[in-house]
Amino acid sequence: SQTIHQWPATLVQPVGSPLSLECTVEGTSNPNLYWYRQAAGRGLQLLFYSVGIGQISSEVPQNLSASRPQDRQFILSSKKLLLSDSGFYLCAWSSGTGTGELFFGEGSRLTVL
Amino acid sequence: QKEVEQDPGPLSVPEGAIVSLNCTYSNSAFQYFMWYRQYSRKGPELLMYTYSSGNKEDGRFTAQVDKSSKYISLFIRDSQPSDSATYLCAMRGGASGGSYIPTFGRGTSLIVHP
Repeated sequence: SQTIHQWPATLVQPVGSPLSLECTVEGTSNPNLYWYRQAAGRGLQLLFYSVGIGQISSEVPQNLSASRPQDRQFILSSKKLLLSDSGFYLCAWSSGTGTGELFFGEGSRLTVL
Repeated sequence: QKEVEQDPGPLSVPEGAIVSLNCTYSNSAFQYFMWYRQYSRKGPELLMYTYSSGNKEDGRFTAQVDKSSKYISLFIRDSQPSDSATYLCAMRGGASGGSYIPTFGRGTSLIVHP
């Protein structure tokens, strides 16, 4: 069966520090991968999605970037965090055909101080 | 108008009640409909996945889609305190049109009290 792992679960970082959140999927190949941010009362905001290695689409301009160095690995990064980057970050995957369900990881809670 | 509208609640019900959660949408290209349950500080968990109009039942949960009205519902029978969570609807297009990337509602907070 397929599983998705996301880490770290919790992160407290000072303003201006770098960020790296990692996500890996097991039990499937060539998945579509997604990064979402969830702010309190504001729902899920799609940040990035990827249909293959090195293929990243950005949905909103921001202080963040994403990379997909391997088929089942998706990384969310920032060179210098802002206070507004605080939030709950979720990685998700769906089948590479684009059909089927979307499955989420457990999330990473980032607090920027 | 947002593509997907969902009342944020909170919705508070007594244990054993039938719960009705709803979303409306404006994009007629949506063909696949999902309901997620999200406990506090956890990732969303997929509950129901349906295609086009009709009903789908899984245990105490029933998902209903009315494409003519652009309205979807999730019914929870015999609600339990463990059902207390935020419920998110999501929908996306399919082979005949629309984006494969799901569009989410903002979520409805449900509280089931003993």
